[in-house]
Amino acid sequence: AQKVTQAQTEISVVEKEDVTLDCVYETRDTTYYLFWYKQPPSGELVFLIRRNSFDEQNEISGRYSWNFQKSTSSFNFTITASQVVDSAVYFCAFREAGNMLTFGGGTRLMVKP
Amino acid sequence: DTGVSQDPRHKITKRGQNVTFRCDPISEHNRLYWYRQTLGQGPEFLTYFQNEAQLEKSRLLSDRFSAERPKGSFSTLEIQRTEQGDSAMYLCASSLRQGINEQFFGPGTRLTVL
Repeated sequence: AQKVTQAQTEISVVEKEDVTLDCVYETRDTTYYLFWYKQPPSGELVFLIRRNSFDEQNEISGRYSWNFQKSTSSFNFTITASQVVDSAVYFCAFREAGNMLTFGGGTRLMVKP
Repeated sequence: DTGVSQDPRHKITKRGQNVTFRCDPISEHNRLYWYRQTLGQGPEFLTYFQNEAQLEKSRLLSDRFSAERPKGSFSTLEIQRTEQGDSAMYLCASSLRQGINEQFFGPGTRLTVL
């Protein structure tokens, strides 16, 4: 069964709009880790954030913010005042006790000028 | 600060040929991972090394695939008797051993099997 679901396959916004990318995960473990990566057109995956299951504090980094809610098994990512350079595919990923990352299917974000 | 590097960046081959890819991790990272990403999908785990030991292998890693990390530094991924279904981006990542650390990815090798 897929453990990470990104229901939005593609989102298109106009520059300066706020946009939220959804991520829902499934697990029976109490210890796990969640990640977001950005994949721009160049193809290289860029690490954005890591959260562990014991830390539900939301985090803000510049225009980026993350909302982790264990009650709904969600780890959503919001970009405030989007810019054209934010156009990319964004992946949510999950890691349990093993070392591998399980990625969602990704959300393609297109920010139009 | 050198990131993860992969070589070649692109490879076109004919079905049935063997191909080999190389990954050089970030120098102080002793964990190295291989993933495969097909068009429109998220990366899928293939295998993982801690130093020179291959500790995990996915079911995706058929017997035509072999990965090595002989001296615990760079790694190679070989695909024998390539098939069209092997066409994908092959991504390498590395991380530090201590704790749960994020994986840093290289630019990938895009394989096209004709």
